[in-house]
Amino acid sequence: AQTVTQSQPEMSVQEAETVTLSCTYDTSESNYYLFWYKQPPSRQMILVIRQEAYKQQNATENRFSVNFQKAAKSFSLKISDSQLGDTAMYFCASHYGGSQGNLIFGKGTKLSVKP
Amino acid sequence: GAVVSQHPSWVICKSGTSVKIECRSLDFQATTMFWYRQFPKQSLMLMATSNEGSKATYEQGVEKDKFLINHASLTLSTLTVTSAHPEDSSFYICSARDLRGRVDEAFFGQGTRLTVV
Repeated sequence: AQTVTQSQPEMSVQEAETVTLSCTYDTSESNYYLFWYKQPPSRQMILVIRQEAYKQQNATENRFSVNFQKAAKSFSLKISDSQLGDTAMYFCASHYGGSQGNLIFGKGTKLSVKP
Repeated sequence: GAVVSQHPSWVICKSGTSVKIECRSLDFQATTMFWYRQFPKQSLMLMATSNEGSKATYEQGVEKDKFLINHASLTLSTLTVTSAHPEDSSFYICSARDLRGRVDEAFFGQGTRLTVV
């Protein structure tokens, strides 16, 4: 079974600073995907960034980047130039099994960006 | 990206009544949809996988007679909470995948906040 662990229940960062959210996972699958989702106060789940396990290159999306360490089963999210709108719950998730497979979520990290 | 619409956004019902939540894929066909439950300040827990034209697959511990799922068309799945009780109060979220695109990418509805009084 797959598991996803987020060990930081809450974090805070000053506006314009950089913050890193941690995530580790466990899987026996060889082909899987990893995600970071953002859930703002509206509670709409928003995809922040994805990483295919077979790709060695770390994914980046503007201010968001990941540090994917496959051997260590680590998948951290770095947010650069933090903005007030980044305040949200962040969930790390894994997926395998194609269209039938579901997402396995971590417990989440509540990020607060302070002015 | 693809759009998933969930309705209603919030509902209050009396204990003992049933409530239906709809999840629609607006611009794509979804053979599989997923229903999650989220308690306050907690993560999303998968309740069931809804498959068009067949019975849903429920996760362990989820009462299938209490949480009825119907996926009658390629664009609509419904979750009915039967004989609701206050402990069923929660936030329910659905998601679906657009098979025209990346099979790993899930699109989420905006969620339904259910309060049973």
